[in-house]
This record gives sequence, structure tokens and C-alpha cells, in this order.
Amino acid sequence: DIEMTQSPSSLSASVGDRVTITCRASQAISTYVNWYQQRRGQPPNLLIYVASSLQIGVPSRFSGGGSGTEFTLTISGLQPEDFGTYYCQQNFRSPWTFGQGTKVDIK
Amino acid sequence: QVQLVQSGAEVKKPGASVKVSCKASGHTFNNYGIHWLRQAPGQRLEWMGSINRGIGNTKYSQKFQGRVTITRDTSANIAYLELTNLMSEDTAVYYCARLADYQSAFDLWGPGTMVTVSS
Repeated sequence: DIEMTQSPSSLSASVGDRVTITCRASQAISTYVNWYQQRRGQPPNLLIYVASSLQIGVPSRFSGGGSGTEFTLTISGLQPEDFGTYYCQQNFRSPWTFGQGTKVDIK
Repeated sequence: QVQLVQSGAEVKKPGASVKVSCKASGHTFNNYGIHWLRQAPGQRLEWMGSINRGIGNTKYSQKFQGRVTITRDTSANIAYLELTNLMSEDTAVYYCARLADYQSAFDLWGPGTMVTVSS
């Protein structure tokens, strides 16, 4: 199985900060990475697909990048509603696998 | 409203089976593959298997092979996940999710069904 590893595991940032989360794959997966936000008690919500495409309805402060084995999710100008846990997911090869999550707290 | 509605929470004893349903509304069920994932308390999301659009071929994670069955009733717009021989480690929230082919991503999720396995 392809292992996805995120860093950091958690972070605390202030409103307006630029936040970057990194996801590394255990093998090259082209751009087959998606990013989700999950708030407590809620299902995940798709933010970014195919590494850098913004899902309809998602604010433009979210952006994604990378290819191969290293990927990033950036929030440019953190907002109070951005708290939650963020997951990367690979869809290069079954079984689809997720990172362990990055918990974002607002200071 | 486009949504996936799942059946309610379940409490089961070890060795039992559970069947969770996922009803689609507001969109054409047969245009999308339906996937099942789970999330144990404090753990990452885990993909279990899927049933594709069209003829409904299934694919399962090897971890659950032999214990999991995914089916659907296209006339009722419902997909099902059945997991047998439950163990305490199967205690988790179970989600169904729609896969949008052009995105190759899970663009719509059900609210989740809590399954607790306890003696």
C-alpha cells in the first residue's frame, strides 16, 4: 500500500497567517492527491483535487501543489472557520490511502 | 438537495454482522461510484471498498477481503455495506462517499454511521 505521511501533525496559527501542510507519499504518484478538511463530528469536505485544482465553492485562499512524492496544501490568510483536521489522500493506486491528518487550531 | 443519507448508529457484539445503508438523493445514483470508508476514534480515514457506476463491479481493500460486501439497489438509489465477524477493532464511524470520475476524488460524503462493537 502507498503510505501518506503529513507534517506537521498539528499546528496553531493566528488569523491572517499563511499556513502550509506537507504530505509525502512512499512512492511517486504523479499528481494523484486530494485534500480534505474535517471538522469535529463532520464528514470530510473536499478542498483540492488532482494536487492543485480547487473544488467548486472552496475559498481561493486554499491552494495545493506538488507532484511525485511531495505535496503541499497552503492556506493564505487563515480564517477562524479554517480550524479542523486536514487530510491528504492518494488515488494513484488502490487501496486509496490517507495521511494521518494535520490538526489546525486558531490561536 | 444533493446528499447521501446513512442509516443510524449500531451496537453489535463480537462475531456479529452489520449492514449499513447509504441513500442518494438529488442526483443520479448510477452516474457515480460509491465508496465506503471508516474512521476509528482518533485515527486516519481508511478506505474499505467500492461499487462502480454502470454494471456495479466491486473492489475491496485486501484488509477486509472476505468480511466485507458492498451492494446496491439502483431502483431505490441505495448502497449497502455489510461487514461480518465483527471485532472490537471495527468500532468506527463508517462513511459512504461519492466518487466524481472527472476529479477522481470524493466530492460528496454521507454524515457517517457509528458502529460500536462491544460485548
